[in-house]
Amino acid sequence: EAQVTQNPRYLITVTGKKLTVTCSQNMNHEYMSWYRQDPGLGLRQIYYSMNVEVTDKGDVPEGYKVSRKEKRNFPLILESPSPNQTSLYFCASSPGPLSEQYFGPGTRLTVT
Amino acid sequence: QKEVEQNSGPLSVPEGAIASLNCTYSDRGSQSFFWYRQYSGKSPELIMFIYSNGDKEDGRFTAQLNKASQYVSLLIRDSQPSDSATYLCAGPYQSGAGSYQLTFGKGTKLSVIP
Repeated sequence: EAQVTQNPRYLITVTGKKLTVTCSQNMNHEYMSWYRQDPGLGLRQIYYSMNVEVTDKGDVPEGYKVSRKEKRNFPLILESPSPNQTSLYFCASSPGPLSEQYFGPGTRLTVT
Repeated sequence: QKEVEQNSGPLSVPEGAIASLNCTYSDRGSQSFFWYRQYSGKSPELIMFIYSNGDKEDGRFTAQLNKASQYVSLLIRDSQPSDSATYLCAGPYQSGAGSYQLTFGKGTKLSVIP
């Protein structure tokens, strides 16, 4: 089944404790993105990747890191999480940026 | 500057009516637009994609794009309670040579009243 998977789906952590949210797609898509969704602010792009080893900042990259060492994986790293990073996070992939985005199920992160 | 603005909601329509959702964008270079539907607690799913001026119809959904006015809309005919969701407009923005970002509007929450 073609899909985008994210793990974990739910995470409660404390300020400053490094964490990684994994994202994997099995559709051989070149374009992958991370978004955060907050009430009243909509979906905002954190980072995106046009292809392996090519990543770019989106609209809200501060406090986040990404890497794209393999085509299928695009992990999101929070080196030192803070409460303002409490949000719902979505990973997405597509054949290209002008194509339909396929979204993962989301990761609800709470930082206390 | 890249911005995608959606008409503020929430929007309530009676079952069977036409729901009209609107979106304006600031980047004249944008060539295509997407409409996603998001049910509460779920991930967005694509319902329409439009890249040329005019109308595009798919079942009960019609997307309209007017590049001169930088305006894109989504009409839902014969609205059903199952259409109750948040609708997101999105457009790609060229951020560099061969590099694109996808910018989403904040979404319009639609409620279809039985």
